Amino acid sequence: RKEVEQDPGPFNVPEGATVAFNCTYSNSASQSFFWYRQDCRKEPKLLMSVYSSGNEDGRFTAQLNRASQYISLLIRDSKLSDSATYLCVVNYNNYGQNFVFGPGTRLSVLP
Amino acid sequence: DTAVSQTPKYLVTQMGNDKSIKCEQNLGHDTMYWYKQDSKKFLKIMFSYNNKELIINETVPNRFSPKSPDKAHLNLHINSLELGDSAVYFCASSSRPDNEQFFGPGTRLTVL
Repeated sequence: RKEVEQDPGPFNVPEGATVAFNCTYSNSASQSFFWYRQDCRKEPKLLMSVYSSGNEDGRFTAQLNRASQYISLLIRDSKLSDSATYLCVVNYNNYGQNFVFGPGTRLSVLP
Repeated sequence: DTAVSQTPKYLVTQMGNDKSIKCEQNLGHDTMYWYKQDSKKFLKIMFSYNNKELIINETVPNRFSPKSPDKAHLNLHINSLELGDSAVYFCASSSRPDNEQFFGPGTRLTVL
């Protein structure tokens, strides 16, 4: 089983739609979690950290379920500019050696 | 001001050559990283360097050698380049190993 798994997509959604991505991880010792966004031919950029109690940043909501070992990202009221690949990142806190990126989920928001 | 910068942005070279990629961060971070993103878009860590301690990913061939002249710089030297080394190489930094990482713009390496 891969360390971090994501549905590669693509998810094609109309503007204004709500879309959710899930990410599962295999190492129960994982300590910190993040969602990154990567635009085509660009570097990954931090979208948000994921906290145990769940957190929200504008139209974006992240949730963590430690018991089932998954994290989720919900995007409400999708914009064209949300089109990108969303990378789930899991860190089990071993001097950065285990900052593991998922393969990414590609999102296309259509007009 | 660019937080994490890399040079060159593009690198095209022949098999067997030796090349270097430079990375600098002005964030005052203690930890720096090199990642490889291949054609399938998987992003995999190659090295991390924390307060002068280098952590090597054992799956990386020893043709790859990181060098850190100081805390703000982590360069990557590659010997005897192979076709399979073609990829985008990203440098990143973080304030400490378990914190979020900030990435450079990437170096697109093509080996012919």
